[in-house]
Amino acid sequence: ILNVEQSPQSLHVQEGDSTNFTCSFPSSNFYALHWYRWETAKSPEALFVMTLNGDEKKKGRISATLNTKEGYSYLYIKGSQPEDSATYLCAFSDNYGQNFVFGPGTRLSVLP
Amino acid sequence: GAVVSQHPSWVICKSGTSVKIECRSLDFQATTMFWYRQFPKQSLMLMATSNEGSKATYEQGVEKDKFLINHASLTLSTLTVTSAHPEDSSFYICSARGSTATNEKLFFGSGTQLSVL
Repeated sequence: ILNVEQSPQSLHVQEGDSTNFTCSFPSSNFYALHWYRWETAKSPEALFVMTLNGDEKKKGRISATLNTKEGYSYLYIKGSQPEDSATYLCAFSDNYGQNFVFGPGTRLSVLP
Repeated sequence: GAVVSQHPSWVICKSGTSVKIECRSLDFQATTMFWYRQFPKQSLMLMATSNEGSKATYEQGVEKDKFLINHASLTLSTLTVTSAHPEDSSFYICSARGSTATNEKLFFGSGTQLSVL
């Protein structure tokens, strides 16, 4: 069974603070790593899909990096805003898509 | 962006009844649809993967006779929880993508909270 971990489980930051969290996944047979943002009462929304070691992606104040050799991805949020409050999910697939596993998520609360 | 509509968003039913959940892709053809279940404070757990026109592939431990999945068209997949029991109470959510490639992002429905009395 593939194990995808995310840390921390939850965190609270003040508006304006920058923050980051981690997704850890098996380093063998890597195929793709996804990040999603899930706001309460809404559908999860795709942020990034990364496939290459060393990939860095950016969308506004949010960016992500990928290290497939050591099996982790970081998600960074610069200058957090209350609207960034959500659960951030990562999902890992290997073996050309034979398995697709979500992590438990990191719940971010940005306090005004 | 692409939209996936899931209904109902909340359902309460009596034990022993069956419940059908629909998931529709509104502006793209969903080649592949996924159904997940999430218990409180736990990860999204994949239940099954369905490709249009084919039988669904169920994950280990998921009873295919209890969770019937139909993906009869490129825009509609349904999950029917048959003879629901209280232990089936959970949050169910679908996702879809326009191809079989897992390096393409998923589009999610908004989820269905099922409560079985």
